Amino acid sequence: EDQVTQSPEALRLQEGESSSLNCSYTVSGLRGLFWYRQDPGKGPEFLFTLYSAGEEKEKERLKATLTKKESFLHITAPKPEDSATYLCAVGGLSGGYQKVTFGTGTKLQVIP
Amino acid sequence: GAVVSQHPSWVICKSGTSVKIECRSLDFQATTMFWYRQFPKQSLMLMATSNEGSKATYEQGVEKDKFLINHASLTLSTLTVTSAHPEDSSFYICSASRQGGSNQPQHFGDGTRLSIL
Repeated sequence: EDQVTQSPEALRLQEGESSSLNCSYTVSGLRGLFWYRQDPGKGPEFLFTLYSAGEEKEKERLKATLTKKESFLHITAPKPEDSATYLCAVGGLSGGYQKVTFGTGTKLQVIP
Repeated sequence: GAVVSQHPSWVICKSGTSVKIECRSLDFQATTMFWYRQFPKQSLMLMATSNEGSKATYEQGVEKDKFLINHASLTLSTLTVTSAHPEDSSFYICSASRQGGSNQPQHFGDGTRLSIL
């Protein structure tokens, strides 16, 4: 069974204090790893897709990287508006059946 | 962009009522739409996957007669919670995908908070 574990559960940063969020995964036939941002009471907002180990993608202060076992979401010099829950998900293929499995998220709070 | 609109955003109703939730992809055609429940501090729980013009595929443990899904067009899917009871209270979120494979990102609506009294 595919599994996604995100750590830490919660992270509190001072504005400007860079850090990384971790997403460890086990999946049958990785077809894609996805990062989303979710604000309270809202649906997740798509950020990145990574397809193979070594791939990196950037968007403003966020950079996502991928290895064969985990992905990191690096946040450089965060601002209060980066406060949100960040979700990781993996797309797998097992027995001809495609499925996306989500982690429980890391709740990030950036303090001014 | 890829915008998905979900309506209503909040529903409060009496036990035994049926509730319909709409999910529309506004600026793209969605071959596949997904319906999730989300509980506090838990991951998104997939309820069902629907492809336009086909019957929905339900996850194990999800009652298909309780949660009716219709995906009549490439831009609209509906979830009807029939004879809702307090245990059905939850945050329901839909998503849409252009091609539906597990290598494709999903684009989410803003969810519907359902409260059954």
